Amino acid sequence: EVQLVESGGDLVKPGGSLRLSCAASGFTFSAYSMNWVRQAPGKGLEWVSYISSGSSIKHYADSVKGRFSIFRDNAKNSLYLEMNSLRDEDTAVYYCARGPHCSGNTCYPFDYWGQGTLVTVSS
Amino acid sequence: EIVLTQSPATLSLSPGERATLSCRASQSVSNYLAWYQQKPGQAPRLLIYDASNRATGIPARFSGSGSGTEFTLTISNLEPEDFAIYYCHQRHTWPPFTFGPGTKVDIK
Repeated sequence: EVQLVESGGDLVKPGGSLRLSCAASGFTFSAYSMNWVRQAPGKGLEWVSYISSGSSIKHYADSVKGRFSIFRDNAKNSLYLEMNSLRDEDTAVYYCARGPHCSGNTCYPFDYWGQGTLVTVSS
Repeated sequence: EIVLTQSPATLSLSPGERATLSCRASQSVSNYLAWYQQKPGQAPRLLIYDASNRATGIPARFSGSGSGTEFTLTISNLEPEDFAIYYCHQRHTWPPFTFGPGTKVDIK
């Protein structure tokens, strides 16, 4: 069974830093690209960052570019998000999500999501 | 960036009724459009991928259609557990991956 479990969310002051983790199990983690997607309280979904299976390609939303850094450790089946210079507007539940990926002739979007970890930025 | 617009914002229906949700893209996304269901306090769940393919374990009452810029999610016979928020999502042109603002299906 595919499982993604996020951790590391906390209350942090504006300008502070935080590292989120996502532990993966039930699939060959090293074969899949991964993402962070966030959801501010009462709001919709916002994609934050993408990393390819081998870490050679990384992408960021404009809203976090230069402040957040995505990385992974395939030996530990783990995905991370390093968050610096945090702002009030970064307050959200942060989800890790698998994909997109292709299997045979079929390609899938974000097909599995973790339960999320809450980051609150407030003084 | 491809902007996705969903309508209506809220759909008030009774169990057993048919729900029709729309998603419009600011430019063609071919068929690379997915639908997710999210219930309060839960992560999004993939329902439909590539516009019309049901994900594993999704009941047949959920169906998707469309291509290009106009897409529809239909729930043919609403069950009590279907009252939730539904998001569309495109992976045709990225980064960034984008999501629609969501349609809330609530009980009338």
